[in-house]
Amino acid sequence: SQQGEEDPQALSIQEGENATMNCSYKTSINNLQWYRQNSGRGLVHLILIRSNEREKHSGRLRVTLDTSKKSSSLLITASRAADTASYFCATAPQAAGNKLTFGGGTRVLVKP
Amino acid sequence: DTAVSQTPKYLVTQMGNDKSIKCEQNLGHDTMYWYKQDSKKFLKIMFSYNNKELIINETVPNRFSPKSPDKAHLNLHINSLELGDSAVYFCASSQGLAGGVNIQYFGAGTRLSVL
Repeated sequence: SQQGEEDPQALSIQEGENATMNCSYKTSINNLQWYRQNSGRGLVHLILIRSNEREKHSGRLRVTLDTSKKSSSLLITASRAADTASYFCATAPQAAGNKLTFGGGTRVLVKP
Repeated sequence: DTAVSQTPKYLVTQMGNDKSIKCEQNLGHDTMYWYKQDSKKFLKIMFSYNNKELIINETVPNRFSPKSPDKAHLNLHINSLELGDSAVYFCASSQGLAGGVNIQYFGAGTRLSVL
C-alpha cells in the first residue's frame, strides 16, 4: 500500500466552507509535504512540515502533524472555486535520501 | 519562463513502438526525477538522477531507460511500448537535500496513450 494515504478520496464543498483532508503514513519521516494538482497540470508544492513541528500555517492553509499517530491533516479555510484540485501528501522517509513517497490524493471540488 | 518543461505534452502511439520524452529544468537544481501517474492518480517514482548519476531506480521494466546528458536534462526512453504503459509521466527537479528538505518542482506532464 502507499506510504501516504489520503482520506477522504474525494470531497465536495460549497465556496466559503473549510476543507479538511488527512494523510496517514507508515514509516518514520524527516518531513511531510502537501502538493496540489490542478486538472491536466503538474504538482505544485504548497507547504512542508518537519518532523519536529506540530502545526504550520501558510495563508489559508493549515497543516498539522502527529508523528505518534503517523498522520497529518491539511485544512483549507474559506475555500474558493479556484481551490478545486487534487491534493497529495508526500512523505520523506528517514534514510530514504531524496525520495518522496506520494499518496493517492484527495480530489476536492469547491462549488461556487 | 517555465521552470521544468517536458515534451511532448501528448504522445499517442502503437504498441511495440519506441518513444522518448524529454525534460529540461532551468532552476539550477542538482536532482531530477521521473514519475508515473496512473489512471487512479497514484504517483510513483521511477528514477532519480543527481548530477547525472542514477540514485533511485525503482522496480521498473528495463524497457524504460533514463538518460541524463547533463544535470539540467533528464530524458526517458521507452522501448516496445505496451498498453499498460499508458499513463501520465511527470518530470520533476529539486535542489537535493539542502537542510534535509526536498521540495520538488514538477513539469506539466506527458500523457502517453498506447493503442
